[in-house]
Amino acid sequence: AQSVTQLDSQVPVFEEAPVELRCNYSSSVSVYLFWYVQYPNQGLQLLLKYLSGSTLVESINGFEAEFNKSQTSFHLRKPSVHISDTAEYFCAVTRSNDYKLSFGAGTTVTVRA
Amino acid sequence: GAVVSQHPSRVICKSGTSVKIECRSLDFQATTMFWYRQFPKQSLMLMATSNEGSKATYEQGVEKDKFLINHASLTLSTLTVTSAHPEDSSFYICSAPPPRAGSSYNEQFFGPGTRLTVL
Repeated sequence: AQSVTQLDSQVPVFEEAPVELRCNYSSSVSVYLFWYVQYPNQGLQLLLKYLSGSTLVESINGFEAEFNKSQTSFHLRKPSVHISDTAEYFCAVTRSNDYKLSFGAGTTVTVRA
Repeated sequence: GAVVSQHPSRVICKSGTSVKIECRSLDFQATTMFWYRQFPKQSLMLMATSNEGSKATYEQGVEKDKFLINHASLTLSTLTVTSAHPEDSSFYICSAPPPRAGSSYNEQFFGPGTRLTVL
């Protein structure tokens, strides 16, 4: 079975500062990796995903994540955050032949002016 | 993109009653849907896999008689919390994978969730 560890439960950050959310996974088989975002009182939305190919993936709103197989990591970064990035961020993994998602515990990002 | 809806968005019920939550795929067919449970400030825990036309598959530790799942059609799965108690209060979320289409095969679309409060 696969598992996901998000190392930071809460990350306070000032507006326009960079942010990194750490995610490590463990699995004995090939996996696909995802970052989901949950804004206050809303459902989960896919932020970005790694399936294959380039290890650096980007989202349309400035986030990027890099798949590092040797370190079994998929850290999420944004060089300059906005107030609107305040949300809960979940790292998730699924086996490449399965739909079942295993989620990390989540990281709460609070952006302050 | 694909849309998944849930109804109701919020429900408050008395202890001992049953509550039904619906999950619909609005513009695609979903032979499989997933039900998750999310406690405040915690992650999503997969409860069960809902399969159209067959029995649901429950994760370890989830009571199948407590959480009844029915996947009656290709666009609808329902979760019924039977004889609800305050400890069942939680945020229930469903998801569905889109029809297989290249690299999006492993992606899932999530419903907005249903907040259940049992008094």
